[in-house]
Amino acid sequence: RKEVEQDPGPFNVPEGATVAFNCTYSNSASQSFFWYRQDCRKEPKLLMSVYSSGNEDGRFTAQLNRASQYISLLIRDSKLSDSATYLCVVPPGGSQGNLIFGKGTKLSVKP
Amino acid sequence: GAGVSQSPRYKVAKRGQDVALRCDPISGHVSLFWYQQALGQGPEFLTYFQNEAQLDKSGLPSDRFFAERPEGSVSTLKIQRTQQEDSAVYLCASSSSAPGYSPLHFGNGTRLTVT
Repeated sequence: RKEVEQDPGPFNVPEGATVAFNCTYSNSASQSFFWYRQDCRKEPKLLMSVYSSGNEDGRFTAQLNRASQYISLLIRDSKLSDSATYLCVVPPGGSQGNLIFGKGTKLSVKP
Repeated sequence: GAGVSQSPRYKVAKRGQDVALRCDPISGHVSLFWYQQALGQGPEFLTYFQNEAQLDKSGLPSDRFFAERPEGSVSTLKIQRTQQEDSAVYLCASSSSAPGYSPLHFGNGTRLTVT
């Protein structure tokens, strides 16, 4: 298994839809995880941190399944402004610096 | 407060030239990272500093790539004898603690085009 794998995109959904992305990781020692959002030709920006079983922030829910080694991101009631690429980030166990990004999942929300 | 600042924003280099990319992290952030992002791909890790110490340089693709952070603040990524495959966006990020314990704050990136 690759270190971090994400659902291949693109996801094309209508406004108001619920969409979910998965990210699998190989390093069982990883303790915390992040979802970043990247708009076209912009830098990645933090969307959510996941330190325990999950996290919820408004329309966004991130869940962690340590047994199966995946994290998911659920977006409810999609908005046009949610269109972006969503990147999963998995730190290694310990204090290594190699924060690993997934290749990203592109979401396009249509009117 | 000020975020992570990178310069130049765009750089065009002829193959074989040397380039230097600068990163000013958020003041007080101990961790600094460099990533390379090709079009349509996620950021690929290059190197990591904790203060002035380069703790991980496993992602540097060749010995043409060199990074430094001599005073634990500003960092420079140098690419010698640039090749066309070096064309990418180079992202710098900083965080307030060790990797994985606090989120990364990215700069706008430097878009390098090697002709």
